[in-house]
Amino acid sequence: DAGITQSPRHKVTETGTPVTLRCHQTENHRYMYWYRQDPGHGLRLIHYSYGVKDTDKGEVSDGYSVSRSKTEDFLLTLESATSSQTSVYFCAISDWWVGRTPYEQYFGPGTRLTVT
Amino acid sequence: KNEVEQSPQNLTAQEGEFITINCSYSVGISALHWLQQHPGGGIVSLFMLSSGKKKHGRLIATINIQEKHSSLHITASHPRDSAVYICAVYNFNKFYFGSGTKLNVKP
Repeated sequence: DAGITQSPRHKVTETGTPVTLRCHQTENHRYMYWYRQDPGHGLRLIHYSYGVKDTDKGEVSDGYSVSRSKTEDFLLTLESATSSQTSVYFCAISDWWVGRTPYEQYFGPGTRLTVT
Repeated sequence: KNEVEQSPQNLTAQEGEFITINCSYSVGISALHWLQQHPGGGIVSLFMLSSGKKKHGRLIATINIQEKHSSLHITASHPRDSAVYICAVYNFNKFYFGSGTKLNVKP
C-alpha cells in the first residue's frame, strides 16, 4: 500500500472557524490532490499540486486554499468553514516513471469533516 | 456537464453472476482508472489502462479509445465484491470522476 496519511480523520467544527487538513505521503510522488466526496456528486477536485509550491485550482476551489512547502505534505485550508463544506475529504497522490503504471492514483483514508 | 458517465448507477446481482459496469467519457484522455470503494472504506485502485484489456483475478477491464468507452467485468461475483466502483479519466494533470456504480451481490 502507498504511504499516505490524512489528519485529522474526523473533525467537527463551527461555522466561521478556520480548518486545516493535512495530507502526508512517504512515496515522493510529485502530484498531490485534494477531493471532496458528497452523495450524488462523486469525487470532485478541489486543488492539486504538481510540485513544491506549485498548485492549481480544481472545479470546486471556492472557499479553499492549499499549500505545499515540501514534497511530502499538502495542506488544505478552509478559511472560514461553512455548512456546505461538510463532506468527506480525500487526498491522493500520483506520479509516473519508467516501469510503473502511469498516472495511477493512490488515495488516503479520508477525513470526515462536519461543520455545524 | 459531466465528462464521465457510468451505468448503471445501481446494480444488484446474485452470487456467481457475471457483472458489467460501463463508463463513457467525452474528453480526450491519456488513461482511464477503475477504483473500488467499500462502504465506509477507503478508495482502492483496481486498474489503470490506456488501451486494450487488463485482467486481475476475477476482474477484467477493457477500453475502446475510439468509442470513448470502458467496461469493468466481474466474473463469478461474490458478496465481498459489493462496493462502489468508480471510473476516472486522466486529462492534462487532472482526473475526472464518474459518480460511481453501487454493486450489491447477494448470497
